[in-house]
Amino acid sequence: NAGVTQTPKFQVLKTGQSMTLQCAQDMNHEYMSWYRQDPGMGLRLIHYSVGAGITDQGEVPNGYNVSRSTTEDFPLRLLSAAPSQTSVYFCASSYSIAGSGNTIYFGEGSWLTVV
Amino acid sequence: GENVEQHPSTLSVQEGDSAVIKCTYSDSASNYFPWYKQELGKRPQLIIDIRSNVGEKKDQRIAVTLNKTAKHFSLHITETQPEDSAVYFCAAASSGNTPLVFGKGTRLSVIA
Repeated sequence: NAGVTQTPKFQVLKTGQSMTLQCAQDMNHEYMSWYRQDPGMGLRLIHYSVGAGITDQGEVPNGYNVSRSTTEDFPLRLLSAAPSQTSVYFCASSYSIAGSGNTIYFGEGSWLTVV
Repeated sequence: GENVEQHPSTLSVQEGDSAVIKCTYSDSASNYFPWYKQELGKRPQLIIDIRSNVGEKKDQRIAVTLNKTAKHFSLHITETQPEDSAVYFCAAASSGNTPLVFGKGTRLSVIA
């Protein structure tokens, strides 16, 4: 039972490079989201999706793109990496959006450094 | 939108003592309040949650209380152990299609 799988776990990028963080879940969850975690800032929502073909912006969406072509996958794209995007990124999923009280399951995290 | 404030940001307790972490929320329509624990280098994991129709919920050494009138909720850990050392996040969510909003976290250190 894999749950939420994120890749890569660690990545170093140069300023201006682009990359994609992959996220997949095998629990048939409709709701998927991406958070970034910075010291003292908690978990801040970047983008989220309530189902295939539907995405929406969270608190800190600038510099990131997402798409949801299937229920299982929700990749996060960094368009032109900046040092301010150095962070730990968590993908998460739940049966439906958490307002209805569904547990959110997090991936193991991706440590990204932009130099 | 919802805003969640969490206090304190750091907390140190002696092993065996109790620890209390408090959160306030702004949206009176919020009805779901989970708590997540994140050990060093690991992912956040749900430890307990409460819905707005319940005032208190317990699970062994962990309890959560909710005061809807004052719009605050608290996590209580009794008989703390070194393995309770972690960062704890509270969160709140309204009904409907709104994501969870997290507090900024509390780093709990249990000193043996």
